[in-house]
Amino acid sequence: DIQMTQSPSSLSASVGDRVTITCQASQDITNYLNWYQQKPGKAPNVLIYGASNLEAGVPSRFSGGGFGTYFTFTISSLQPEDIATYYCQHYDSPPYTFGQGTKLEI
Amino acid sequence: QVQLQQSGPGLVKPSQTLSLTCAIFGDSVSSNSAAWNWIRQSPSRGLEWLARAYYRSKWYIDYAVSVKSRMTINPDTSKNQLSLHLNSVTPDDTAVYYCAGGSKVIMAYWGQGILVTVSS
Repeated sequence: DIQMTQSPSSLSASVGDRVTITCQASQDITNYLNWYQQKPGKAPNVLIYGASNLEAGVPSRFSGGGFGTYFTFTISSLQPEDIATYYCQHYDSPPYTFGQGTKLEI
Repeated sequence: QVQLQQSGPGLVKPSQTLSLTCAIFGDSVSSNSAAWNWIRQSPSRGLEWLARAYYRSKWYIDYAVSVKSRMTINPDTSKNQLSLHLNSVTPDDTAVYYCAGGSKVIMAYWGQGILVTVSS
C-alpha cells in the first residue's frame, strides 16, 4: 500500500497568514493526489485534484503543487472560515489512502 | 446536483454484520463516468478508504486489503443505490461511515455519514 505522510499534524496561524502543508507519498504517484477540507461534524470536501487543479467553486487562495512523491497545499491568505482539518489522498492504485490530516487553528 | 443519502443502523453487536445503504440522487450508480466509494473515519484510523465500485461496460469493484475478506459492496441498479456489508465486526470497526462518489479520481459528492458503534 502507498503511505501518505502529512506534515505538520497541527498548525496555528493568524488571519492573513500564508499557510503551507506538505504530503509525502511512499512511492511515485505522479500527480494522482487530491486535497480535502473537513470541518467538524461534516464530510470532507475536495478542494484540489490532480495535485494542482482547483475544484470548481473553491476560492483561489487555495493552491496545490508537487509531483512524484512530494506535494504541497497552500492557503495564500488564511481566512477564519478556513479553520478545518485538511487531508491529502492519492488515487494512484487501490487502496486510495489518506494522509493523517493537518488540523488548522487560529 | 448529486446527493447521496445514507441509511442503516447506528449500533451493531460484535460478530454480527454491519449493513449500510447509499441512495444516489442526480446520477446513476451505473454511470459510465462515475465511481462510488465507501470510506470510514475513526480517531484511531483517521480517514480510511474501504472500497469502490464503478461500471465501464461491466462492474469493477476494489477493496482495501484490510477489509477485503469481510466486506462486500453491491451496486443495485433497480434502486440506484450502493450497499455495504461488513461481517464479523469488532469494536475496532466503530467509525463514521461515508459513501462518496464522483469521477474515478475525485470524490466530489459525500453522504452525510453514519456513526456505527460496535458494542454489545
